[in-house]
Amino acid sequence: NAGVTQTPKFRVLKTGQSMTLLCAQDMNHEYMYWYRQDPGMGLRLIHYSVGEGTTAKGEVPDGYNVSRLKKQNFLLGLESAAPSQTSVYFCASSSGQGITDTQYFGPGTRLTVL
Amino acid sequence: KNQVEQSPQSLIILEGKNCTLQCNYTVSPFSNLRWYKQDTGRGPVSLTIMTFSENTKSNGRYTATLDADTKQSSLHITASQLSDSASYICVVSARGVPRGSYIPTFGRGTSLIVHP
Repeated sequence: NAGVTQTPKFRVLKTGQSMTLLCAQDMNHEYMYWYRQDPGMGLRLIHYSVGEGTTAKGEVPDGYNVSRLKKQNFLLGLESAAPSQTSVYFCASSSGQGITDTQYFGPGTRLTVL
Repeated sequence: KNQVEQSPQSLIILEGKNCTLQCNYTVSPFSNLRWYKQDTGRGPVSLTIMTFSENTKSNGRYTATLDADTKQSSLHITASQLSDSASYICVVSARGVPRGSYIPTFGRGTSLIVHP
């Protein structure tokens, strides 16, 4: 049981390049989330999904797209990377059952955009 | 706008001492409050979770309290250990859309350093 895994762990992009971050969970969770964490700031929700084939915008969705084609995977895409997207990205998943639902986080992806 | 404020921003204590971290929030409609521990370079891990009707919850040496009237929470760490050095994050969730979803607002965290 690996929990929540993220690929890649590190990445350096040039401005304007595109990339996709992959999140996978093996806990059969319905809900999945993408966050970014910047120095001195709390985690901010980018997008989330409450089930296969569904996605919704979070607090800071601009510049990102997501897809949830399979229940166990949640992809975060950057179509044209900008230096402002330099951050650590965390994926999380939860069962979505009840108000005490707990999110389980992946190890993070450190992205630098030059 | 939903907000979660934590204090202090950072804290240094000696091993074996106790400490208390604070969290104030303005989140509506309130659903639950969690405390997470985040080790350097790792994802956050849940310590406790409390709903509106709960005012205290313990997890080993960690005890969280919630005052829903004043919208304040605290995390008390007893007999600190070197492994307690981490960032502690307060997260308050509001009931969201679609129905049954819960939208979290994260505090910036308190960085705790425990010295031998």
